[in-house]
Amino acid sequence: GAVVSQHPSRVICKSGTSVKIECRSLDFQATTMFWYRQFPKKSLMLMATSNEGSKATYEQGVEKDKFLINHASLTLSTLTVTSAHPEDSSFYICSARDGRAGGRVVLTDTQYFGPGTRLTVL
Amino acid sequence: DQQVKQNSPSLSVQEGRISILNCDYTNSMFDYFLWYKKYPAEGPTFLISISSIKDKNEDGRFTVFLNKSAKHLSLHIVPSQPGDSAVYFCAARPSSGSARQLTFGSGTQLTVLP
Repeated sequence: GAVVSQHPSRVICKSGTSVKIECRSLDFQATTMFWYRQFPKKSLMLMATSNEGSKATYEQGVEKDKFLINHASLTLSTLTVTSAHPEDSSFYICSARDGRAGGRVVLTDTQYFGPGTRLTVL
Repeated sequence: DQQVKQNSPSLSVQEGRISILNCDYTNSMFDYFLWYKKYPAEGPTFLISISSIKDKNEDGRFTVFLNKSAKHLSLHIVPSQPGDSAVYFCAARPSSGSARQLTFGSGTQLTVLP
């Protein structure tokens, strides 16, 4: 259990285009999802916390108008990188927490991560 | 200010020996700690966790030790296997707050030599 998927796994786009990344919890419901960014040989940097049905909370320094987050359901959160530029090229990873399955709380203190999306902006 | 620190960016260990990965934290509000393993181009995989009410948690070849007074935790892997070669991230979260976000260390690249 506790599988989180991301789509696409890899995307290459031209500068100025927008890219949408989907994060899905496959076998549980996630009230909270997190979006991270990782630069080469660096730690995971939390970008924003997304709660189902409410606005995302962005970390300091993360532009909310550039990184649009929508958490419309308990199993899906999306990150849209608007007007992408080469400096946005990175590895984006989502995670999900506080899951419920069949009405029971099955996840409480652990975040489960998706496989990540490699974004390359030319 | 880095609240979770992994001061060793890399560690090499011979197969069958013990691997010890260290992590220090500065925020006294942290009360739950996790270790994640990450292969290149993949998301981190949860490995083991420990609550601040404990000083040791063991799961198979993996044991995490917590020293609250020193604000230090370590992950022991014994015996180490080549498949353990990956980047290991230490993470911590506070006891309160609705989001209870994780703060990650910078990671330690473990290489287990056959």
